[in-house]
Amino acid sequence: DAGITQSPRHKVTETGTPVTLRCHQTENHRYMYWYRQDPGHGLRLIHYSYGVKDTDKGEVSDGYSVSRSKTEDFLLTLESATSSQTSVYFCAISENQGGRAGELFFGEGSRLTVL
Amino acid sequence: AQKVTQAQTEISVVEKEDVTLDCVYETRDTTYYLFWYKQPPSGELVFLIRRNSFDEQNEISGRYSWNFQKSTSSFNFTITASQVVDSAVYFCALSEVSNDYKLSFGAGTTVTVRA
Repeated sequence: DAGITQSPRHKVTETGTPVTLRCHQTENHRYMYWYRQDPGHGLRLIHYSYGVKDTDKGEVSDGYSVSRSKTEDFLLTLESATSSQTSVYFCAISENQGGRAGELFFGEGSRLTVL
Repeated sequence: AQKVTQAQTEISVVEKEDVTLDCVYETRDTTYYLFWYKQPPSGELVFLIRRNSFDEQNEISGRYSWNFQKSTSSFNFTITASQVVDSAVYFCALSEVSNDYKLSFGAGTTVTVRA
C-alpha cells in the first residue's frame, strides 16, 4: 500500500471556523491532489500540487486554499468553513502527471462535518 | 460539462449474476486514459484498471472484464458471477492530455450484491 496518511480522519466543526486537513506521504511522489466526494458528484478535484510550493486550482477550488512547503506534506485549508463544505476529502498522490503516470494512490479519506 | 457519465446510479443483483457497469466519456483529445476504481463500504479507493486511448483490446482479470469502444466513447465494466464482496461504489475516470492528465471522475455506480 502507498504510504499516505490523512489527518484528521474525522472532524466536526462549526460554520465560520477555519479547518486544516493534512496529507502526508512517504513515497516521495511529486504530484499531490485534494478531492472531495459528494453523493451524485463522484470525486471532484479541489487543488493539486506538482512540486514544492507549486500548486494550482481544480474544478471546485472556491473557499479552499492549499500549501506545500515540503514534498511529503500537502495541506488543505478552509479559511471559514461553510455547511456546503461538509464532505469526505481524499488526498491522492502520483509519481508523474496523474493519468499518464498510471494510477493515483488515495489516502483513506477525511470526513468533515460543518454544522 | 460532465466528461464522464455513469448513468446507472445503483444496481442490485443476486449473487452469481453478471453485472455490467456503463461508462461514457467525452473528450476531444486523441491521447487519453480511462480508469476504473472501486470503493468498498470501508471507504478506501482501490485502483482496478487503466487503459490508454490507443489500446482498444478488451481486458479480463479474473471475474472482471472491460470493454473499451472508442466508436461509442464507452469503457464498460463487467463483473461475472458476482459475489457479496463485489458490493461497492465503482467509479470511472478520464485523464486527458489537454487537462494535464488530471483525473475527472464519474458520479459512480453503487453495486449491491445480495446473497
